Amino acid sequence: SYVLTQPPSVSVAPGKTARIACGGTTFGSESVQWYQLKPGRAPILVIYFDSDRPSGIPDRFSGSNSGNTATLTISRVEAEDEADYYCQVWDSSNYHAVFGGGTQLTVL
Amino acid sequence: QLQLQESGPGLVKPSETLSLTCTVSTGSISSRSYYWGWIRQPPGKGLEWIGSIYYSGSTFYNPSLKSRVTISLDTSKNQFSLEVTSVTVADTAIYYCARDLYTDSGSLFDTWGQGALVTVSS
Repeated sequence: SYVLTQPPSVSVAPGKTARIACGGTTFGSESVQWYQLKPGRAPILVIYFDSDRPSGIPDRFSGSNSGNTATLTISRVEAEDEADYYCQVWDSSNYHAVFGGGTQLTVL
Repeated sequence: QLQLQESGPGLVKPSETLSLTCTVSTGSISSRSYYWGWIRQPPGKGLEWIGSIYYSGSTFYNPSLKSRVTISLDTSKNQFSLEVTSVTVADTAIYYCARDLYTDSGSLFDTWGQGALVTVSS
């Protein structure tokens, strides 16, 4: 089954660009989603279908998927972006959702 | 705006059954466009999908939990529920309910509850 690998942590200065990678054996036709988690708050979907943004998500958030790696890019990082970010795919061979291990984004 | 709220006991004894309910507001769980799912996060660890249910009662479960998990729904109350049997300390986690937009590309969770902490301890 799928194993999604994320770096445990990424640090970035305000106003700079953060990139969070999500590696898989091969994504193939699977789409990648990204979620933002903050303590005590409902998680938020920030990217779906590799690169689509739900309404209300700032255009500073973007996503890409190329071969074995999907990337969440946050441009012009703000303090409020500090959170844990998780990638997710659907394992169509085994009919279950798989999450990456999560990346803690720290805004310096 | 759709809202989901988890409820249930915050403390469960080992070997007993964990039961949680998710109440959906401003939206119907009878919608044919969505599944409804449960996801958990043990302390200090990552997210783990538990399973999802459709308005018809059709379910998908995580193979690693399938033998102990049941997800059901009550359309009259606009709620869906989770039961995990024979719990151990490893089932201690924040449990989230979420709306699952199940498409040809599989599940994605577009709206979540705030989560409920369940501790397994004697």
